Amino acid sequence: QVQLQQWGAGLLKPSETLSLTCAVYGGSFSGYYWSWIRQPPGKGLEWIGEINHSGSTNYNPSLKSRVTISVDTSKNQFSLKLSSVTAADTAVYYCARVVVVVAAPYYYYMDVWGKGTTVTVSS
Amino acid sequence: SSELTQDPAVSVALGQTVRITCQGDSLRSYYASWYQQKPGQAPVLVIYGKNNRPSGIPDRFSGSSSGNTASLTITGAQAEDEADYYCNSRDSSGYQVVFGGGTKLTVL
Repeated sequence: QVQLQQWGAGLLKPSETLSLTCAVYGGSFSGYYWSWIRQPPGKGLEWIGEINHSGSTNYNPSLKSRVTISVDTSKNQFSLKLSSVTAADTAVYYCARVVVVVAAPYYYYMDVWGKGTTVTVSS
Repeated sequence: SSELTQDPAVSVALGQTVRITCQGDSLRSYYASWYQQKPGQAPVLVIYGKNNRPSGIPDRFSGSSSGNTASLTITGAQAEDEADYYCNSRDSSGYQVVFGGGTKLTVL
């Protein structure tokens, strides 16, 4: 059974860089996309970006200038960096495994999720 | 358009049937996936593809799609189904991902 374990700093000051890592246990790393999603307090889910095992990335245009998602296939891990954080970046951050079927009809779904990391940005 | 629109809140009487909808242009190309989120917990996938349930999801959950609208139906809602529900898909470009704003389901 695939499990995602995530970790990273939970308290940041404005202008610092958020850094989170998600490790994949019990399953293949290749053949999937790996995504980061966040949820501000009391609000809905926001997609941050995704990466596949070969390093191909897609980012949310609203965050693209500050986001870097990378992968370390030797460790079955992928990471998120978000630069120049502000209070608006305070949220629970989730990692997730993504299944994409690109033959019509197209499927896209996130079938395994990490437990979430609470990140607070405060001076 | 790269947005998915959901009703903010829906209520259902215990044991009755409720439908939660999600609208967006991307749903003409991609099937929606549906997630249940309870307070303080990570989202859980409940429906994906045409109408597929992951292992462990009760068969009272079902999905359907028509044009630009996807629906999640709970037949015989239980108290434990009270949660927020989100729809999700790739957008029409195939490079962005969108979530609906979420629907808070109350079981009366």
